[in-house]
Amino acid sequence: DTEVTQTPKHLVMGMTNKKSLKCEQHMGHRAMYWYKQKAKKPPELMFVYSYEKLSINESVPSRFSPECPNSSLLNLHLHALQPEDSALYLCASSHGPGQGSSINQPQHFGDGTRLSIL
Amino acid sequence: AQSVAQPEDQVNVAEGNPLTVKCTYSVSGNPYLFWYVQYPNRGLQFLLKYITGDNLVKGSYGFEAEFNKSQTSFHLKKPSALVSDSALYFCAVSLPFSGGYNKLIFGAGTRLAVHP
Repeated sequence: DTEVTQTPKHLVMGMTNKKSLKCEQHMGHRAMYWYKQKAKKPPELMFVYSYEKLSINESVPSRFSPECPNSSLLNLHLHALQPEDSALYLCASSHGPGQGSSINQPQHFGDGTRLSIL
Repeated sequence: AQSVAQPEDQVNVAEGNPLTVKCTYSVSGNPYLFWYVQYPNRGLQFLLKYITGDNLVKGSYGFEAEFNKSQTSFHLKKPSALVSDSALYFCAVSLPFSGGYNKLIFGAGTRLAVHP
């Protein structure tokens, strides 16, 4: 069982729809991440939240809107997506700054949401 | 440039035989190295890490990895492969990022196929 829970597992949406992906962790981690992964490729970092504040945006298009309501939850709001946005979206968490040396701590990944854009 | 290379797209091994999945890195400063495994329709699972100390690191599911500073390598190994080890394996280096965070730089991944 993974310690990072993502819902839904699968999502099919049209290009005009609005939907949200959800991620939850209860490991006390203060850094949370969104990644995009295409088939047979490594994950690509999208966003990093630390202590509920957006810290890093890797030049992600505005049709992806992250939100961190509290230290356990991370959302990714989707609107007007393109077919090329179809991918596996992974959430991860880890120790954040002030929780010990984060650079040598692993990130813990959820099982992802497989998103298909029609 | 900081990078991680996995030179093999796929590794095939017979069940019961030893396996090696190769990884080389190019970073300035001390490398913080990780191996992750991804099974079909699952997220990435942490296997092991090298931070400092003993060059042979033991991890989950019987895997181990050998850090070699002179060859800038961090190969993943297992003495006896299982069919259930068949998966996609990612080597990664953790780099300091602005604000005190770490960013994982992944290799391209190696698909391990263990045949009965």
